[in-house]
Amino acid sequence: SQTIHQWPATLVQPVGSPLSLECTVEGTSNPNLYWYRQAAGRGLQLLFYSVGIGQISSEVPQNLSASRPQDRQFILSSKKLLLSDSGFYLCAWSTDTGGGGAFFGQGTRLTVV
Amino acid sequence: DAKTTQPNSMESNEEEPVHLPCNHSTISGTDYIHWYRQLPSQGPEYVIHGLTSNVNNRMASLAIAEDRKSSTLILHRATLRDAAVYYCIRASGTYKYIFGTGTRLKVLA
Repeated sequence: SQTIHQWPATLVQPVGSPLSLECTVEGTSNPNLYWYRQAAGRGLQLLFYSVGIGQISSEVPQNLSASRPQDRQFILSSKKLLLSDSGFYLCAWSTDTGGGGAFFGQGTRLTVV
Repeated sequence: DAKTTQPNSMESNEEEPVHLPCNHSTISGTDYIHWYRQLPSQGPEYVIHGLTSNVNNRMASLAIAEDRKSSTLILHRATLRDAAVYYCIRASGTYKYIFGTGTRLKVLA
């Protein structure tokens, strides 16, 4: 069966520090991968999605970037965190264009102080 | 742009059926309709999806209008564990899952 791993679960970082969140998927090949962010009490905002290695689409301009160095690895990064980067970050995967559903990791709660 | 419209909140009594509506009047012929739910401090959980026909699984049923401009998620017997935010999503061929604000379901004991 397929599983998705996302870490760390919680993170407290000072303003101006770098960020690296990693997500890996097991049990499937060539998944579509996604990064979402959820501010406190708000809905999910799609940040990035990827349909293959090295293929990244950005949904909103921001202080973050994403990379997909391997088929089942998706990384969210920032060179210098802002207070507004605080939130609940979720990685997800899907297998096709919409017929199979998206499956989410447990999330990383990031607090920038 | 979520392109779906849901009520902000709904309440249901425990053990009773719940019908959660969703409007997607601009849906295209190839868009799937997905439903997810999110418990506090957790990632969204896939519930069900469909294209044109009604769908049933162990969690819920999905009723899709004949013109596909609306759908209804049906929880046959609500339990306290069903209290969550429920999201209705149009999943298009561009691989994107755009979430709206969802419906917060409160289940009363």
